[in-house]
Amino acid sequence: GQNIDQPTEMTATEGAIVQINCTYQTSGFNGLFWYQQHAGEAPTFLSYNVLDGLEEKGRFSSFLSRSKGYSYLLLKELQMKDSASYLCAPKGYGGATNKLIFGTGTLLAVQP
Amino acid sequence: DAGVTQSPTHLIKTRGQQVTLRCSPKSGHDTVSWYQQALGQGPQFIFQYYEEEERQRGNFPDRFSGHQFPNYSSELNVNALLLGDSALYLCASSLRGFGTEAFFGQGTRLTVV
Repeated sequence: GQNIDQPTEMTATEGAIVQINCTYQTSGFNGLFWYQQHAGEAPTFLSYNVLDGLEEKGRFSSFLSRSKGYSYLLLKELQMKDSASYLCAPKGYGGATNKLIFGTGTLLAVQP
Repeated sequence: DAGVTQSPTHLIKTRGQQVTLRCSPKSGHDTVSWYQQALGQGPQFIFQYYEEEERQRGNFPDRFSGHQFPNYSSELNVNALLLGDSALYLCASSLRGFGTEAFFGQGTRLTVV
């Protein structure tokens, strides 16, 4: 089966650092994506990890441990515009390529 | 370079009616996936089209059907609409292959009354 677990909600302060964790179980593994979604808008791509380790892209970094079925998204120097839902999406093998399995997402509220 | 475009952006239908949603993929992409996103939930995979064929399907009834055209654009059809079909319908395009990201359209907000 397939299961993705993320915290439902998080709150952080502007300028701070926040880490959003994701644990997953999938039938086969072919990479993990993080997407950002503002209310009423489409998800936008943030990062992709296929190998273990940390991928850094500006204020955003994503970490993957395949053996632990674990990933996190790290957001630095938080800004008010970072208030959004963050979706962890592992991709499984076989069948459709780029079939992403989404969890319910983590709703991040950045406060002044 | 146009991204993924979907039409219409909003739609209101009556229970029992049928609806068709449309998606044009990002230039150069050949694969289209459809997702349903209910309020407060993550997107749920409906199905994926490549080379004009449905390649894989999620856990959705046969009332949900689709089509892909030779120009890679796609349609999602939903018959016998239920109130529970009210959701944001997202189209994602990608290039068939390993590790390529999926780009999402802005979605169609369907309300069934």
